[in-house]
Amino acid sequence: GAVVSQHPSWVICKSGTSVKIECRSLDFQATTMFWYRQFPKQSLMLMATSNEGSKATYEQGVEKDKFLINHASLTLSTLTVTSAHPEDSSFYICSASLQRGGQEQFFGPGTRLTVL
Amino acid sequence: GQNIDQPTEMTATEGAIVQINCTYQTSGFNGLFWYQQHAGEAPTFLSYNVLDGLEEKGRFSSFLSRSKGYSYLLLKELQMKDSASYLCAVEDSNYQLIWGAGTKLIIKP
Repeated sequence: GAVVSQHPSWVICKSGTSVKIECRSLDFQATTMFWYRQFPKQSLMLMATSNEGSKATYEQGVEKDKFLINHASLTLSTLTVTSAHPEDSSFYICSASLQRGGQEQFFGPGTRLTVL
Repeated sequence: GQNIDQPTEMTATEGAIVQINCTYQTSGFNGLFWYQQHAGEAPTFLSYNVLDGLEEKGRFSSFLSRSKGYSYLLLKELQMKDSASYLCAVEDSNYQLIWGAGTKLIIKP
């Protein structure tokens, strides 16, 4: 099956710093990548959808200036949490799909962010 | 609005059968997915239904009725490792996945 990696798997940072999370599709070209956030004991919350070479589409309530998404190639998308605060502490998960519609999403292992 | 409903938590016994229901109301329908998520891990794909009926895959089966906006995931011969959250997600007319809150399944010996 298709493999998606994420880096780092966990990160601890001070309040006010920025954190970059990478998401890579290792053995396939991902037309679309998705970024999710999941708080403890809650379901996945879609943050944004990104297509290679175009601007990401953010979900309502997600600040695009705070969560910067870059999808520079068909195998790499990055999420940068700018000026992180303790309330941004969460489990961030990316996923990728081969095509639009009717396809399972392949999930990365997730990145646990803790902001002190 | 768009809505996916599934029970918050279920408990079952090792070796038994459990059915997790999911009802949905979405803007269009392009398929329904079931994912399994163990605590602290990313979701993994279990099944995909786009036509009515039952799809069987080993110990897991998934059923869909589009007219009723209803699906279930059936797990047979439950094992302790099946303890996890099970997420129902529907792809709407814009090919966007709408996620349910997940059902936490607890397996007891």
